[in-house]
This record gives sequence, C-alpha cells and structure tokens, in this order.
Amino acid sequence: AQSVAQPEDQVNVAEGNPLTVKCTYSVSGNPYLFWYVQYPNRGLQFLLKYITGDNLVKGSYGFEAEFNKSQTSFHLKKPSALVSDSALYFCAVRDWNAGNMLTFGGGTRLMVKP
Amino acid sequence: GAVVSQHPSWVICKSGTSVKIECRSLDFQATTMFWYRQFPKQSLMLMATSNEGSKATYEQGVEKDKFLINHASLTLSTLTVTSAHPEDSSFYICSASTTATPDQPQHFGDGTRLSIL
Repeated sequence: AQSVAQPEDQVNVAEGNPLTVKCTYSVSGNPYLFWYVQYPNRGLQFLLKYITGDNLVKGSYGFEAEFNKSQTSFHLKKPSALVSDSALYFCAVRDWNAGNMLTFGGGTRLMVKP
Repeated sequence: GAVVSQHPSWVICKSGTSVKIECRSLDFQATTMFWYRQFPKQSLMLMATSNEGSKATYEQGVEKDKFLINHASLTLSTLTVTSAHPEDSSFYICSASTTATPDQPQHFGDGTRLSIL
C-alpha cells in the first residue's frame, strides 16, 4: 500500500520569505512523487515530479522539491514567496509497481501575506 | 499541451435528477481517465479508474450503479450521477493520463461543482 502525509494543514509565510511545504510518503517499491497546486474552484495543476536522478527537482513558477530517500520525504520549497502562491498544495505518490493510481496527501493550504 | 476540459463547471439541480459530467482530453489521447470527488477543505478521493473501451474500476465504497462511468473513446469519459440527492453534492474532478507509464503526471480538468437541492 502507498500513502502520503502532509503534516501541516496550513503554512503561513510573509511575501519575499522562503517557504517549505512538507510531505512524507510510504511505498513498498520505488516512488514516483508529484506536487500539484489547486486554486479555488479549479482542478489541480502539475508543479513538478521526481522519478529518478538528481534529488533536487525544479518545477513551475520557481518551485522546487528535494527528494530524501532516507527520510522518505519530498518537501516543496520556494526561495521567495509571492502572494499569488497562496493556494492549496497536494503531494502525491505512485509506486512503480502499482500502475497509474496516484495517492494524494491531505493537502496544505499556503497563505502568503503581503 | 496536455489540456483536459471538464464540463459543466457548475451544476445546480433538483433532487432525483441525473447529471452527466464530461471530461475531454483536448490535445492528447488519454488511455486512462480518473474520477475524483473532493469535499470542502479535504483531499481528493479516487472514485474510479476508466480505461478506454473497458468497464471502469470502482474504489471500495463507491456505488457503481449510482456513479456511471463511460470511456467510449480515447478523448472522452463521462460520469453520470444517477438520481442525485443532496448528499451527492460535491466537487468532482477528472484527470487523464497520456500513457500507461506511471512516470507521467496526470492532467486534471477544472472540476465540476455539483449542488443538489
């Protein structure tokens, strides 16, 4: 079975400050890891993914994420937050051996204050 | 690229009616489409997985006679909520995969907010 945990329901950060949204995962095999962002009344937009290779993955809108196998984590980061980054962020995992099914974390609401 | 269109974006209807939601992949062929349900301030709950030309696979606890899924072509899947009741009110989101390989991201529609009066 595969699972994802996002320990923070909400993260508050001031504009211009760095942000981190945490994610830990559990899979039986090797993970494919994804971050998505959701704006109000919209679907999910793909931000970035980790498949193999470099542990630091860069994605859309200046976001990046670091894969840490020993800590089974895939935290989302951005050096300088924007008010427009305020949204709901989902981490998702897919086991290499589990087909196409994605398992989502509970989501973390990011609030960036001016 | 990889655009998924979901229609309608908002539906309000009376209890007892059936509602059809369409999910289209506009610029790619989707071998697999997924239907999710999202309650306010909660994560996505996978309802079913559909592969083109075959019956959908429903998650445990999802009534297949209540939520009818059809995936007749590589660009279109539909979800029909039959005899809808207020408890079916929710935000429904579809997604599509371009290939059968799990390293590709799913591409999501913008969702349908269903309100049953």
